[in-house]
Amino acid sequence: DSGVTQTPKHLITATGQRVTLRCSPRSGDLSVYWYQQSLDQGLQFLIHYYNGEERAKGNILERFSAQQFPDLHSELNLSSLELGDSALYFCASSVSSGTNTGELFFGEGSRLTVL
Amino acid sequence: EDQVTQSPEALRLQEGESSSLNCSYTVSGLRGLFWYRQDPGKGPEFLFTLYSAGEEKEKERLKATLTKKESFLHITAPKPEDSATYLCAVQAQGNNRLAFGKGNQVVVIP
Repeated sequence: DSGVTQTPKHLITATGQRVTLRCSPRSGDLSVYWYQQSLDQGLQFLIHYYNGEERAKGNILERFSAQQFPDLHSELNLSSLELGDSALYFCASSVSSGTNTGELFFGEGSRLTVL
Repeated sequence: EDQVTQSPEALRLQEGESSSLNCSYTVSGLRGLFWYRQDPGKGPEFLFTLYSAGEEKEKERLKATLTKKESFLHITAPKPEDSATYLCAVQAQGNNRLAFGKGNQVVVIP
């Protein structure tokens, strides 16, 4: 158990819909990272938050947004969903601010299926 | 752009048959190279961090090595419980994200 909690574990929805994925980092970790994993692309970095502030953006679509709340949990919002958004979405946390990432602790992921 | 290429994509080993996984990378100034293990339906689990060429790290039957262009994960006398996908990732200097390869899927047959 990594200590990172993600909900929901599975989600099935239709094209055009909006979903919210939630992540609670390990106790004491200030950094939260979101990654998307698909069969053909592997793990792709989406966005990084540190102590409530956005620190870096990766290959995140404009239809996607995220935030980190004062209690350090984070949410990833996916809107106007398309079939191609079907993937595993992972949250990871670390204690560092990101200049020296060190070890990332990953949750078990949220599997999104868009029909 | 940082790039990580892992080979072979998939590997089947007999129990006890040692082998090596390759991770080739291009990065503008390496801060660290990471190996993770991922079991089906689970999130990646951290194994090693390597920071400079020549560095080696060991954990049970796994040994990771690093050169200026690639890293190897050696699996010595593997057991069925070593079956997993092994992910390699790099972090560039001044960057706060990991760029992952697509993984080496290893199956160890009893």
